[in-house]
Parts: sequence; structure tokens; C-alpha cells
Amino acid sequence: DAKTTQPNSMESNEEEPVHLPCNHSTISGTDYIHWYRQLPSQGPEYVIHGLTSNVNNRMASLAIAEDRKSSTLILHRATLRDAAVYYCILRGPFYNTDKLIFGTGTRLQVFP
Amino acid sequence: DTAVSQTPKYLVTQMGNDKSIKCEQNLGHDTMYWYKQDSKKFLKIMFSYNNKELIINETVPNRFSPKSPDKAHLNLHINSLELGDSAVYFCASSQTVGSPLHFGNGTRLTVT
Repeated sequence: DAKTTQPNSMESNEEEPVHLPCNHSTISGTDYIHWYRQLPSQGPEYVIHGLTSNVNNRMASLAIAEDRKSSTLILHRATLRDAAVYYCILRGPFYNTDKLIFGTGTRLQVFP
Repeated sequence: DTAVSQTPKYLVTQMGNDKSIKCEQNLGHDTMYWYKQDSKKFLKIMFSYNNKELIINETVPNRFSPKSPDKAHLNLHINSLELGDSAVYFCASSQTVGSPLHFGNGTRLTVT
């Protein structure tokens, strides 16, 4: 299973942008890059995913390096509600490989 | 309306007992999963089902038996509970392979 590497923790002030990095040097050509987050005492929540091109949605943006060996999740204006553990995950496209392999993630703290 | 609901939310039981955790999704999704989050917060897939058919069994002891009576339900039965089974168990669903997962809020199982 392909692995990802993320910093253990990051800090931000409210209303500032946050860039959460992820390295995935062993990514295969068919792996999608998924991001989930887990707020305290809740289940993981889908944030965004992409394959090669940068992606935007209402929650965040995903910037994917040209060689696909790294990516960055961008929260444009952090709020207190964004304090969570963020997981960068590689996900295969087939049923028998369709499992999210969660690493240790990045714990994001947001200060008022 | 809750998309993925698990019952019970908390479960405290003694070693050797048999217990079940129920999961229901009202999203019309084809695929359902069970994940386990241990005391160190690692999230690991246990099973996935697609249209009631077992797709992934991630080397889970056979004391754990998932049952999918229909597409909307995936229950988890655990026999002869052990101390090491104490964890938070999350149910999830997705529309199809590669689609975002929707997680429930978890069942905290404590084995004494």
C-alpha cells in the first residue's frame, strides 16, 4: 500500500490561509489523492480529492505537484471549526484496493 | 437527517461476551465499510461490502463477522470479546469505488 508522509502538527491563526503538505513519492499512476479530516469525537469527513489537476471545492483547494509525488491542501481562511486532524490518503481505483489507508495525519490547531 | 447512523454510540461489556454494532445508511450507496480506530488513533479498514458482497477482509480475526442483509445495512458482530477489541468502530459508505466516503460518528466499545 502506498504511503503518505505529513507533518505531525501545524498551527494557524483564524482567517489566515493554511497550507497542509503531503508527500507521496511511491504513488502509482492510478492512485487518487484524497484528503479527509477528523474533528474531535466525530468520524472522518471528506474534504477533497484529485488525480492530476488542481481541484477546488467549497471547503478547500488541492494543489498537486506535476510529478504527483506531493500535494498541498489549502484552506483559504482558517476558522476555529477547521481545527482537526487532516489525513492525506492514496486510494486505488479498483474494488479490491478500495481502502483508505489512514496515516497519522496532521493535527491543525487554529488560534483566535 | 443522519446519512450514516450507528448504534449503539457507546458499548461497555465484559470479556468473553458477544455483541453487535448496527450501521444503516440512507444515501442509496452501493458500498459500505467498517473501520477501527485504536487508542493511538490509527484508523484501519476492517471490511468492505459492495451490493451485499464482501470485497475486502483486512485480516481481521474470524471472531468479527460482518453481515449485510441489504445494501443499506452493514452490521458487525463480535464473538468472545477481548480487551484488545476496545476501540472506536466507524461505519462508512460510498456511492461507488473512488467516491468519497461518508462516515458515521462511531461506536466506542469498551471491553472490561
